[in-house]
Amino acid sequence: SQQGEEDPQALSIQEGENATMNCSYKTSINNLQWYRQNSGRGLVHLILIRSNEREKHSGRLRVTLDTSKKSSSLLITASRAADTASYFCATDASNQGGKLIFGQGTELSVKP
Amino acid sequence: EAGVVQSPRYKIIEKKQPVAFWCNPISGHNTLYWYRQNLGQGPELLIRYENEEAVDDSQLPKDRFSAERLKGVDSTLKIQPAELGDSAVYLCASSLDRRTNEQYFGPGTRLTVT
Repeated sequence: SQQGEEDPQALSIQEGENATMNCSYKTSINNLQWYRQNSGRGLVHLILIRSNEREKHSGRLRVTLDTSKKSSSLLITASRAADTASYFCATDASNQGGKLIFGQGTELSVKP
Repeated sequence: EAGVVQSPRYKIIEKKQPVAFWCNPISGHNTLYWYRQNLGQGPELLIRYENEEAVDDSQLPKDRFSAERLKGVDSTLKIQPAELGDSAVYLCASSLDRRTNEQYFGPGTRLTVT
């Protein structure tokens, strides 16, 4: 079963706009990670945020974590056509012995 | 640094036939994972290895799926016999840092069972 629920399931924006994706989870976590998957490819790790962190930045990516609400968001600023992909959150749950549990993903389409 | 290598990339078989997938993790990564990803879904863990030991195989359908990781490096995932519902992408991943569990994925094998 999958712990993460992502919202929206699909998002279509114009190049230059910001894209925000949300992830909710159910149990306490050690960390939460975001991955990107281009069509027909494997997943690529983007960013990790620990349970004691509230916000993290990496280039055009900004991740927030609210452990009281068991939710996270991924913001991609100034989006590019090359950002078109599926984005998955994955939780490293405290009681799962190091297992990552993935959400169902958000499919992002950035139109030039 | 070479990434995670998987083969084959695509496989089409008839139901009831056997199939095997191979994975070579990133050098030095002791932890290896096999995931199954259905269309429109996130990956779901099938089995996790620490070196040559399977430490989590609770999601592996053991009646038809088997896996091995001899010598703690390469791994093979087998399905015998395959069923129509096994059609999916099978992803292999490896990780080095047990504290963060950051994983590196291969390109996957797309299996179609007809």
